[in-house]
Amino acid sequence: ILNVEQSPQSLHVQEGDSTNFTCSFPSSNFYALHWYRWETAKSPEALFVMTLNGDEKKKGRISATLNTKEGYSYLYIKGSQPEDSATYLCAFLRNTDKLIFGTGTRLQVFP
Amino acid sequence: EPEVTQTPSHQVTQMGQEVILRCVPISNHLYFYWYRQILGQKVEFLVSFYNNEISEKSEIFDDQFSVERPDGSNFTLKIRSTKLEDSAMYFCASRGLAGGPLNEQFFGPGTRLTVL
Repeated sequence: ILNVEQSPQSLHVQEGDSTNFTCSFPSSNFYALHWYRWETAKSPEALFVMTLNGDEKKKGRISATLNTKEGYSYLYIKGSQPEDSATYLCAFLRNTDKLIFGTGTRLQVFP
Repeated sequence: EPEVTQTPSHQVTQMGQEVILRCVPISNHLYFYWYRQILGQKVEFLVSFYNNEISEKSEIFDDQFSVERPDGSNFTLKIRSTKLEDSAMYFCASRGLAGGPLNEQFFGPGTRLTVL
């Protein structure tokens, strides 16, 4: 059974705080790791697709790193803003075309 | 910006009834997917579809489920005889050809199915 875990399950931070969450996944037969941002009542939106060990990707204040040997990825948000409030999902891709999702980290940023 | 759309946004049905959930993928995409999320659980893969046939399906996707691309734009999920445990948010997704499975999948906003 392929298990993708995310921690923490939820996070409450003040505006301006930086934060990070973890996604852990099986390290064997790795193909790619996707990060999605999902706001309530909207479509999950792709943030990053990461493929190589040691990859680091950045989009504005959000960045992600990847360690395929030990099976984890970190997502960082620098200087959190209320509009960053959302559920952040990671999804693991093996050598097939189906995404295997984690439970998500629900982030709430208070002004 | 092109987006995946889904209708209806919320569907309520009686147990045993058939439902059809509709999706319009992004127009030049060739790979289509259905996922679902039961409340409080993970998003789960149901099925992938390419070239007018199912490429892969999960163990959830039994004989009660079917998918179809009836024309050049719609992609539908049919549940033949709904059960209470089919209540979930159903997401459609699509992706383009370039980059293969490494390319991002674009998700629709979901259809919330409630089976009474």
